[in-house]
Amino acid sequence: EVELVESGGGLVQPGGSLRLSCAATGLNFQNYWMHWVRQAPGQGLVWVARLSPYGTDFNYADFVRGRFTISRDNVKNTLYLEMNSLRAEDTAVYYCARDSQTSQFPFSTFDMWGRGTMVTVSS
Amino acid sequence: QSGVTQPPSVSGTPGQRVTISCSGGPSNVGSSTINWYRQFPGAAPKLLIFSNDERPSGVPDRFSGSKSGTSASLAISGLQSEDEANYYCAAWDGSLNGWVFGGGTKVTVL
Repeated sequence: EVELVESGGGLVQPGGSLRLSCAATGLNFQNYWMHWVRQAPGQGLVWVARLSPYGTDFNYADFVRGRFTISRDNVKNTLYLEMNSLRAEDTAVYYCARDSQTSQFPFSTFDMWGRGTMVTVSS
Repeated sequence: QSGVTQPPSVSGTPGQRVTISCSGGPSNVGSSTINWYRQFPGAAPKLLIFSNDERPSGVPDRFSGSKSGTSASLAISGLQSEDEANYYCAAWDGSLNGWVFGGGTKVTVL
């Protein structure tokens, strides 16, 4: 079965840290850019970060740059998001998503999504 | 704050055609292909339209997309009750070097 499964969410105090994981199964994980997208309760989707297939190229949304780090382990087929200096406004469901773009399919879309993991930042 | 704007809500009766607009600027909608996602409450989003007007396998042809300049739109024809969901457009923003989503549009079938 082809799927993405996020884990690592939970309750953390402001200023704290958390590490999210996204385990990929059934897909050639090392061939794809991967993304994190978040959604605050009752709000819309917000893109957070992306990472190239070999982890050499990355981009971050301005509001997380310097606080969050995206990384991956292509042996474990797992994407990570290290979150530091967490703020109340980081409270959200965090989704990992696969970027569809390959040499065979030259369109960049989020074509696979996990079910998300909830992060709550509160004292 | 999103640099891409969608109406918060649209509604229609069964069988009607509704459209959702997605308006941005030169650095995002104006210079990027547009993807559309549908999200049901409590579920992950799902790709609905890619590259402005292409449908992934399995998406009914009732859904269509278009883009002109710095605006794009999603049309749903033959509206059905199961189309009630939130719809998001997305574009790559070359100035931000990141993806931007529209604020989302809730479709209600009356």
